[in-house]
Amino acid sequence: DGGITQSPKYLFRKEGQNVTLSCEQNLNHDAMYWYRQDPGQGLRLIYYSQIVNDFQKGDIAEGYSVSREKKESFPLTVTSAQKNPTAFYLCASRAGPQETQYFGPGTRLLVL
Amino acid sequence: AQSVSQHNHHVILSEAASLELGCNYSYGGTVNLFWYVQYPGQHLQLLLKYFSGDPLVKGIKGFEAEFIKSKFSFNLRKPSVQWSDTAEYFCAVNAAGGYNKLIFGAGTRLAVHP
Repeated sequence: DGGITQSPKYLFRKEGQNVTLSCEQNLNHDAMYWYRQDPGQGLRLIYYSQIVNDFQKGDIAEGYSVSREKKESFPLTVTSAQKNPTAFYLCASRAGPQETQYFGPGTRLLVL
Repeated sequence: AQSVSQHNHHVILSEAASLELGCNYSYGGTVNLFWYVQYPGQHLQLLLKYFSGDPLVKGIKGFEAEFIKSKFSFNLRKPSVQWSDTAEYFCAVNAAGGYNKLIFGAGTRLAVHP
């Protein structure tokens, strides 16, 4: 069954703690993306990676970090520096420059 | 900087009514355009896309969109909506070529009443 998996579906975090969201794809896509979705604001790009061991900041990278050690994996860490981390986080991947982005099911993060 | 504007944040329709959701973008160069849909509790999925060619694009579930370059618009249409079309719809654009990032509009929540 091919696709993008994100885990967990729901995640609770205490204020001041770092937390890592998982994103795995078995589509053999080169590029992977992390978005944050807030009500009424659409999706905003956090980080993206076009190839292994390389990634770039998106529009709202502050308080987040990523790694891309393997083609199929692109974990996102929400650090304690992120002032408003409660949101729905979506991972996406794309096969090539002129290809469509496909999205995972998302992880809803709630900071208590 | 690129931006995408969706004019309607909430739309309420009765079944069989016609639908048109507005989308305008700001970017001077060649673009790729997308409509994504997010049904309640489901993945964000592609509804249709425009890269080049015929500006009238047909997508899944009877949706279509028309790219009007002179108006920087890519409005989504469906002649007769169903209750199952209740969802949130996002317009997105990226500059053509390369791994240029996708810019999303704020989304339009559509509620279709039986």
